Amino acid sequence: KQEVTQIPAALSVPEGENLVLNCSFTDSAIYNLQWFRQDPGKGLTSLLLIQSSQREQTSGRLNASLDKSSGRSTLYIAASQPGDSATYLCAVPNAGNMLTFGGGTRLMVKP
Amino acid sequence: DAGVIQSPRHEVTEMGQEVTLRCKPISGHNSLFWYRQTMMRGLELLIYFNNNVPIDDSGMPEDRFSAKMPNASFSTLKIQPSEPRDSAVYFCASSWTGSDYGYTFGSGTRLTVV
Repeated sequence: KQEVTQIPAALSVPEGENLVLNCSFTDSAIYNLQWFRQDPGKGLTSLLLIQSSQREQTSGRLNASLDKSSGRSTLYIAASQPGDSATYLCAVPNAGNMLTFGGGTRLMVKP
Repeated sequence: DAGVIQSPRHEVTEMGQEVTLRCKPISGHNSLFWYRQTMMRGLELLIYFNNNVPIDDSGMPEDRFSAKMPNASFSTLKIQPSEPRDSAVYFCASSWTGSDYGYTFGSGTRLTVV
Protein backbone atom coordinates (compact mmCIF):
# COMPACT_ATOMS: atom_id res chain seq x y z
CA LYS A 1 0.00 0.00 0.00
CA GLN A 2 1.37 3.38 -1.03
CA GLU A 3 2.25 5.72 1.82
CA VAL A 4 3.06 9.38 1.28
CA THR A 5 4.86 11.47 3.88
CA GLN A 6 5.48 15.20 3.91
CA ILE A 7 8.13 16.94 5.96
CA PRO A 8 7.97 19.33 7.69
CA ALA A 9 4.35 19.33 8.87
CA ALA A 10 4.54 23.06 9.47
CA LEU A 11 6.94 25.80 8.46
CA SER A 12 7.16 29.48 9.33
CA VAL A 13 9.57 31.71 7.43
CA PRO A 14 10.13 35.44 6.91
CA GLU A 15 9.16 36.93 3.60
CA GLY A 16 11.75 36.63 0.86
CA GLU A 17 13.25 33.32 1.90
CA ASN A 18 13.69 30.44 -0.52
CA LEU A 19 12.24 27.24 0.89
CA VAL A 20 11.92 23.55 0.17
CA LEU A 21 9.02 21.27 0.98
CA ASN A 22 9.62 17.54 0.97
CA CYS A 23 7.46 14.62 -0.08
CA SER A 24 8.38 10.94 0.06
CA PHE A 25 6.48 7.87 -1.14
CA THR A 26 7.03 4.19 -0.47
CA ASP A 27 6.10 2.66 -3.83
CA SER A 28 8.22 4.08 -6.64
CA ALA A 29 6.01 2.57 -9.36
CA ILE A 30 4.18 5.84 -9.96
CA TYR A 31 3.39 7.45 -13.29
CA ASN A 32 3.10 10.99 -12.00
CA LEU A 33 3.13 13.14 -8.88
CA GLN A 34 0.98 16.18 -8.27
CA TRP A 35 1.45 19.13 -5.92
CA PHE A 36 -1.59 20.98 -4.63
CA ARG A 37 -2.17 24.11 -2.61
CA GLN A 38 -5.04 24.45 -0.15
CA ASP A 39 -6.01 27.74 1.44
CA PRO A 40 -7.93 27.63 4.75
CA GLY A 41 -11.55 26.66 4.18
CA LYS A 42 -10.99 26.22 0.46
CA GLY A 43 -10.56 23.44 -2.04
CA LEU A 44 -7.37 22.08 -3.58
CA THR A 45 -5.67 23.94 -6.40
CA SER A 46 -3.30 22.02 -8.62
CA LEU A 47 0.16 23.63 -8.76
CA LEU A 48 2.36 21.23 -10.70
CA LEU A 49 2.11 17.79 -12.23
CA ILE A 50 5.33 15.87 -12.86
CA GLN A 51 5.28 12.83 -15.12
CA SER A 52 7.39 9.84 -14.12
CA SER A 53 9.64 10.47 -17.11
CA GLN A 54 10.37 14.02 -15.99
CA ARG A 55 12.87 15.25 -13.44
CA GLU A 56 11.27 18.60 -12.72
CA GLN A 57 8.53 21.06 -13.58
CA THR A 58 8.50 24.82 -13.14
CA SER A 59 5.72 27.36 -12.81
CA GLY A 60 6.71 30.89 -11.93
CA ARG A 61 8.47 30.87 -8.55
CA LEU A 62 7.64 27.19 -8.04
CA ASN A 63 9.86 24.30 -9.05
CA ALA A 64 9.03 20.68 -8.33
CA SER A 65 11.50 17.84 -8.74
CA LEU A 66 10.95 14.11 -8.80
CA ASP A 67 13.36 11.27 -8.03
CA LYS A 68 11.42 8.07 -8.52
CA SER A 69 14.24 5.74 -7.57
CA SER A 70 14.57 7.28 -4.13
CA GLY A 71 10.84 7.88 -3.73
CA ARG A 72 11.16 11.62 -3.24
CA SER A 73 9.83 14.89 -4.57
CA THR A 74 10.60 18.43 -3.51
CA LEU A 75 8.69 21.65 -4.04
CA TYR A 76 10.97 24.69 -4.15
CA ILE A 77 9.43 28.11 -3.59
CA ALA A 78 11.66 31.04 -4.49
CA ALA A 79 11.43 34.44 -2.84
CA SER A 80 8.48 33.51 -0.64
CA GLN A 81 5.63 35.99 -0.14
CA PRO A 82 2.88 36.25 2.48
CA GLY A 83 0.43 35.20 -0.22
CA ASP A 84 2.18 31.84 -0.40
CA SER A 85 0.85 30.99 3.07
CA ALA A 86 -1.25 27.87 2.68
CA THR A 87 -1.09 24.10 3.08
CA TYR A 88 0.83 22.28 0.37
CA LEU A 89 -0.04 18.68 -0.42
CA CYS A 90 1.64 16.15 -2.64
CA ALA A 91 -0.20 13.17 -4.07
CA VAL A 92 0.56 10.12 -6.19
CA PRO A 93 -1.87 7.88 -8.10
CA ASN A 94 -1.81 4.12 -7.83
CA ALA A 95 -2.26 1.75 -10.76
CA GLY A 96 -6.00 2.23 -10.41
CA ASN A 97 -5.69 6.00 -10.80
CA MET A 98 -6.60 6.68 -7.16
CA LEU A 99 -4.63 9.43 -5.44
CA THR A 100 -2.87 8.94 -2.13
CA PHE A 101 -2.14 12.20 -0.33
CA GLY A 102 0.55 13.20 2.08
CA GLY A 103 -0.43 14.90 5.31
CA GLY A 104 0.56 18.30 3.95
CA THR A 105 2.96 21.06 4.97
CA ARG A 106 1.34 24.10 6.54
CA LEU A 107 3.35 27.13 5.41
CA MET A 108 3.27 30.56 7.01
CA VAL A 109 5.24 33.38 5.37
CA LYS A 110 5.55 36.38 7.67
CA PRO A 111 5.78 39.90 6.25
CA ASP B 1 -14.80 25.20 -18.35
CA ALA B 2 -16.27 26.05 -14.95
CA GLY B 3 -14.28 23.31 -13.27
CA VAL B 4 -15.68 20.69 -10.91
CA ILE B 5 -18.89 22.03 -9.39
CA GLN B 6 -20.13 20.88 -6.01
CA SER B 7 -23.30 21.74 -4.17
CA PRO B 8 -24.21 22.76 -1.61
CA ARG B 9 -21.15 24.64 -0.33
CA HIS B 10 -22.32 24.30 3.25
CA GLU B 11 -24.80 21.93 4.84
CA VAL B 12 -25.94 21.86 8.45
CA THR B 13 -28.26 19.04 9.39
CA GLU B 14 -29.54 17.26 12.44
CA MET B 15 -28.38 13.82 13.39
CA GLY B 16 -30.49 11.16 11.74
CA GLN B 17 -31.37 13.20 8.68
CA GLU B 18 -30.50 12.24 5.14
CA VAL B 19 -27.85 14.33 3.40
CA THR B 20 -27.17 14.41 -0.34
CA LEU B 21 -24.05 16.01 -1.79
CA ARG B 22 -23.81 16.71 -5.50
CA CYS B 23 -20.99 16.94 -8.00
CA LYS B 24 -20.67 17.90 -11.66
CA PRO B 25 -17.29 16.83 -13.07
CA ILE B 26 -15.39 18.55 -15.83
CA SER B 27 -16.85 17.72 -19.21
CA GLY B 28 -14.85 14.98 -20.90
CA HIS B 29 -13.29 13.61 -17.74
CA ASN B 30 -13.99 9.91 -17.30
CA SER B 31 -12.91 9.44 -13.68
CA LEU B 32 -14.66 10.85 -10.62
CA PHE B 33 -13.58 10.64 -7.00
CA TRP B 34 -15.19 11.50 -3.67
CA TYR B 35 -12.85 12.45 -0.84
CA ARG B 36 -13.45 13.39 2.78
CA GLN B 37 -11.16 15.72 4.71
CA THR B 38 -10.94 16.03 8.47
CA MET B 39 -8.30 17.48 10.75
CA MET B 40 -7.66 14.10 12.32
CA ARG B 41 -7.45 11.93 9.22
CA GLY B 42 -6.57 14.31 6.42
CA LEU B 43 -7.83 13.49 2.92
CA GLU B 44 -9.43 10.08 2.54
CA LEU B 45 -10.68 8.55 -0.70
CA LEU B 46 -14.25 7.34 -0.30
CA ILE B 47 -15.14 6.05 -3.76
CA TYR B 48 -13.85 6.10 -7.32
CA PHE B 49 -15.90 5.92 -10.53
CA ASN B 50 -14.52 5.25 -13.99
CA ASN B 51 -16.82 5.70 -16.97
CA ASN B 52 -19.73 6.05 -14.50
CA VAL B 53 -19.02 2.65 -12.93
CA PRO B 54 -17.92 2.36 -9.28
CA ILE B 55 -14.45 0.84 -9.31
CA ASP B 56 -13.38 1.02 -5.70
CA ASP B 57 -15.64 1.86 -2.76
CA SER B 58 -13.42 0.39 -0.07
CA GLY B 59 -13.09 3.81 1.51
CA MET B 60 -16.79 4.22 2.15
CA PRO B 61 -17.02 4.17 5.95
CA GLU B 62 -20.17 2.11 6.36
CA ASP B 63 -23.52 1.26 4.86
CA ARG B 64 -24.89 4.66 5.76
CA PHE B 65 -22.85 6.05 2.86
CA SER B 66 -23.80 5.49 -0.76
CA ALA B 67 -22.73 7.08 -4.04
CA LYS B 68 -24.14 7.06 -7.53
CA MET B 69 -23.11 8.30 -10.93
CA PRO B 70 -26.13 8.00 -13.22
CA ASN B 71 -24.35 9.72 -16.12
CA ALA B 72 -21.03 11.26 -17.06
CA SER B 73 -21.99 14.71 -15.82
CA PHE B 74 -23.44 14.06 -12.36
CA SER B 75 -22.69 12.20 -9.16
CA THR B 76 -24.21 12.12 -5.69
CA LEU B 77 -22.94 11.08 -2.30
CA LYS B 78 -25.67 10.27 0.19
CA ILE B 79 -25.46 9.76 3.93
CA GLN B 80 -28.48 8.22 5.61
CA PRO B 81 -28.82 8.51 8.54
CA SER B 82 -26.23 11.17 9.24
CA GLU B 83 -24.21 11.24 12.48
CA PRO B 84 -22.08 13.97 14.11
CA ARG B 85 -18.89 12.06 13.26
CA ASP B 86 -19.72 12.52 9.57
CA SER B 87 -18.97 16.23 9.94
CA ALA B 88 -16.17 17.00 7.49
CA VAL B 89 -15.44 18.66 4.18
CA TYR B 90 -16.37 16.44 1.24
CA PHE B 91 -14.53 16.98 -2.02
CA CYS B 92 -15.30 15.74 -5.48
CA ALA B 93 -12.53 15.50 -8.08
CA SER B 94 -12.38 14.45 -11.70
CA SER B 95 -9.68 13.49 -14.16
CA TRP B 96 -9.03 11.83 -17.47
CA THR B 97 -7.51 8.38 -17.01
CA GLY B 98 -3.94 8.43 -18.14
CA SER B 99 -0.57 9.59 -17.05
CA ASP B 100 -0.62 12.99 -18.75
CA TYR B 101 -3.41 14.49 -16.72
CA GLY B 102 -3.85 15.39 -13.12
CA TYR B 103 -6.87 15.79 -10.94
CA THR B 104 -9.15 18.82 -10.65
CA PHE B 105 -10.94 19.30 -7.35
CA GLY B 106 -14.19 21.03 -6.58
CA SER B 107 -14.49 23.61 -3.82
CA GLY B 108 -15.97 21.09 -1.42
CA THR B 109 -19.07 20.79 0.73
CA ARG B 110 -18.64 21.56 4.41
CA LEU B 111 -21.02 19.24 6.27
CA THR B 112 -21.92 19.80 9.90
CA VAL B 113 -24.15 17.27 11.64
CA VAL B 114 -25.49 18.47 14.97
